[in-house]
Amino acid sequence: GAVVSQHPSWVICKSGTSVKIECRSLDFQATTMFWYRQFPKQSLMLMATSNEGSKATYEQGVEKDKFLINHASLTLSTLTVTSAHPEDSSFYICSARDTAGGPQQYFGPGTRLTVT
Amino acid sequence: GIQVEQSPPDLILQEGANSTLRCNFSDSVNNLQWFHQNPWGQLINLFYIPSGTKQNGRLSATTVATERYSLLYISSSQTTDSGVYFCAGNTGGFKTIFGAGTRLFVKA
Repeated sequence: GAVVSQHPSWVICKSGTSVKIECRSLDFQATTMFWYRQFPKQSLMLMATSNEGSKATYEQGVEKDKFLINHASLTLSTLTVTSAHPEDSSFYICSARDTAGGPQQYFGPGTRLTVT
Repeated sequence: GIQVEQSPPDLILQEGANSTLRCNFSDSVNNLQWFHQNPWGQLINLFYIPSGTKQNGRLSATTVATERYSLLYISSSQTTDSGVYFCAGNTGGFKTIFGAGTRLFVKA
């Protein structure tokens, strides 16, 4: 149980285009999901907290208009990187808390974004 | 916010050796978890351990909440244990803070 999927697992896009990443909780409902970013050989950095049916809460320094988050259902959150630039290239990981369970977070497999 | 320090930053083991990884917190934390990130980037939940001791096969973890630290023990290490080990926790809200990780390489 407690499986989180992400799609796509990797994506290459051209500078200036937008990319959407999906995060799904497959066997549980998640009122709250989280989006992290990880640079090579570094730790995970929380970008935003996504709450079903309401606006996401962004961490300081994260551009809301660049990283659009939508949490339209209890099993799906999406992160859209708008007008992507090479510096947006990174590993993006989502996690989810089981609404009916404890405070543990379960992580997706990540999405590797390369902007050329 | 809380600071999470992990040690050692890097560790090389011969297969079969034992090791202890440490996680120190600057403040009281809730919901402490240990994760293993494999070479493909997948984060795997190892332990949810806000306090006490848990064991799962060759791995065990101990958290002493009053002294703000947690330990992860790996016994009889295997090459498949290689990767990065993270500890993470929060201070009551949902915002989870990760340590910098311990990068482990197990030699055959």
